[in-house]
Amino acid sequence: GENVEQHPSTLSVQEGDSAVIKCTYSDSASNYFPWYKQELGKRPQLIIDIRSNVGEKKDQRIAVTLNKTAKHFSLHITETQPEDSAVYFCAAILNQAGTALIFGKGTTLSVSS
Amino acid sequence: GAVVSQHPSRVICKSGTSVKIECRSLDFQATTMFWYRQFPKQSLMLMATSNEGSKATYEQGVEKDKFLINHASLTLSTLTVTSAHPEDSSFYICSAPFSSVSSSTDTQYFGPGTRLTVL
Repeated sequence: GENVEQHPSTLSVQEGDSAVIKCTYSDSASNYFPWYKQELGKRPQLIIDIRSNVGEKKDQRIAVTLNKTAKHFSLHITETQPEDSAVYFCAAILNQAGTALIFGKGTTLSVSS
Repeated sequence: GAVVSQHPSRVICKSGTSVKIECRSLDFQATTMFWYRQFPKQSLMLMATSNEGSKATYEQGVEKDKFLINHASLTLSTLTVTSAHPEDSSFYICSAPFSSVSSSTDTQYFGPGTRLTVL
């Protein structure tokens, strides 16, 4: 089955700096990679996703890159703001028969002003 | 669109009792829903896949007789934690996939979660 590794577990940056979170996956057949932001006690919110037919996707300050050969994908947040502070999870499709997600262990991002 | 609700948001129960959690897709139909469990400061762990009209599929290590899942309709799945114990205390979150016209892969939308505390 799929296995998703996520690094780092914690990340502290100054406001305005960039933040990068990296994930690797094990199943080369996986073709969908979402990123979720979760604030304390709340549901995960989809912030960006990428499908295997593209290498990069950008939405304002957030971008995701995918390297299928190396089986890794990364989340890039530029010009970080204190409200970006949260736990970020990467995920990959569990198997091609369905749409269940396997999540990484999460990265706690702290943006200090 | 693609709103998922969950009820209740919080529940406290005594050890040995059963608790039912409802997950609803409000503006779309979902033949499949997923149930996750999240312990404090940990990731979401897939418990089971709920299938409308058929039995749920459980992940390895999840007791199907303890976590009963019923997908009663195209918009409702329920998770019943039977004979709850303190170690079952956790944040339970459901999700449902929704595909847009432009997407070939369903995007997962999560419910707000249910905080279960077993005394």
